[in-house]
Amino acid sequence: DTEVTQTPKHLVMGMTNKKSLKCEQHMGHRAMYWYKQKAKKPPELMFVYSYEKLSINESVPSRFSPECPNSSLLNLHLHALQPEDSALYLCASSQEGDPSAFFGQGTRLTVV
Amino acid sequence: LAKTTQPISMDSYEGQEVNITCSHNNIATNDYITWYQQFPSQGPRFIIQGYKTKVTNEVASLFIPADRKSSTLSLPRVSLSDTAVYYCLVGETWGYQKVTFGTGTKLQVIP
Repeated sequence: DTEVTQTPKHLVMGMTNKKSLKCEQHMGHRAMYWYKQKAKKPPELMFVYSYEKLSINESVPSRFSPECPNSSLLNLHLHALQPEDSALYLCASSQEGDPSAFFGQGTRLTVV
Repeated sequence: LAKTTQPISMDSYEGQEVNITCSHNNIATNDYITWYQQFPSQGPRFIIQGYKTKVTNEVASLFIPADRKSSTLSLPRVSLSDTAVYYCLVGETWGYQKVTFGTGTKLQVIP
């Protein structure tokens, strides 16, 4: 299994809603990442988890709350988002020393 | 982190070889050069990685000169399905570190 699976594929939420994005991998990777990508822009790093611990937070607003319940799962909890947070949210995983990271297909988030 | 510079866009006809160059003047000794391909509304896909000289796999070649301040991704005989954005990344191999994407090159393959 060489896949990173993200659910849901599409999400529409209101500014007062609470929702969660999920990411799963079964490749034994111990580093997992959240990226945000706006239209026609490169992916921007949000968070890095290594061995289930948050190692990098790129000054992301607190309305985005990451969680790594175990080595295979990564969640991104969303609360009180703004319309400008609408974007493609990408999850990735990698192993230390591995030349490649695997990305999921992303969740297309629309905040209304 | 080394900053990368790529052309914003390129056009090519089907069947031609395409070369996309990336400049990374302040590459560090431990940095590798990695290229990713991304189709609209999909996650980036690893294409190739190298440290120096030439690397070739089933889909592309990567040429890195001795000073390592630039690199060139070569796609042989492109097809319409190669229309995508190509990103050059420079850094240590993935794993517990910050990896940032540059602006990327939008390749448009024309019939």
